[in-house]
Amino acid sequence: AQKITQTQPGMFVQEKEAVTLDCTYDTSDQSYGLFWYKQPSSGEMIFLIYQGSYDEQNATEGRYSLNFQKARKSANLVISASQLGDSAMYFCAMREGLLNQAGTALIFGKGTTLSVSS
Amino acid sequence: KAGVTQTPRYLIKTRGQQVTLSCSPISGHRSVSWYQQTPGQGLQFLFEYFSETQRNKGNFPGRFSGRQFSNSRSEMNVSTLELGDSALYLCASSLRTGMNTEAFFGQGTRLTVV
Repeated sequence: AQKITQTQPGMFVQEKEAVTLDCTYDTSDQSYGLFWYKQPSSGEMIFLIYQGSYDEQNATEGRYSLNFQKARKSANLVISASQLGDSAMYFCAMREGLLNQAGTALIFGKGTTLSVSS
Repeated sequence: KAGVTQTPRYLIKTRGQQVTLSCSPISGHRSVSWYQQTPGQGLQFLFEYFSETQRNKGNFPGRFSGRQFSNSRSEMNVSTLELGDSALYLCASSLRTGMNTEAFFGQGTRLTVV
């Protein structure tokens, strides 16, 4: 079974609108971390936001917020006030394991391509 | 401060050859991870190094190997290249290992095997 599922291959939004990118995850660990990365056409993966499984508040970083619903195992990314520069591929990722335990890999979803138009 | 530097950015190799890719992490970062990105398989974890020791390895054949030097720079090597090894290889640098540690990625090395 896939550990990270991103069901939207592509999303289209107009500038200044908000957009939600979906991510569901599957883990039996109690401790895990959830990440969102942005990958523009240049290839570099840019870190956007992090949510720990024990964090009670939803994470926010500027225009990015993470809608964390633990019971549903979902970690959707919300981008408010979209900009043309937000057009890119977005990846949801998870790290499993006990807090601060050495050496755990990021498990990525297949990604969602976001296109922002003027 | 300088980000993660991967060299070379682009590489074309012939089947059967070997290749070495390099990654210089952010200054002070001791953990380096490698990922392979292909259109079909997406992003897959290759291996992780911390203080010159391999901490974790993904499900790749033994043709894929890596190492980390005392200055935290890392190299990965692919021997006996196959067409399916064509991919974007991404290196990620972290201050330490751990579940909640943010990983900073380089721009990748795009390898084409012909």
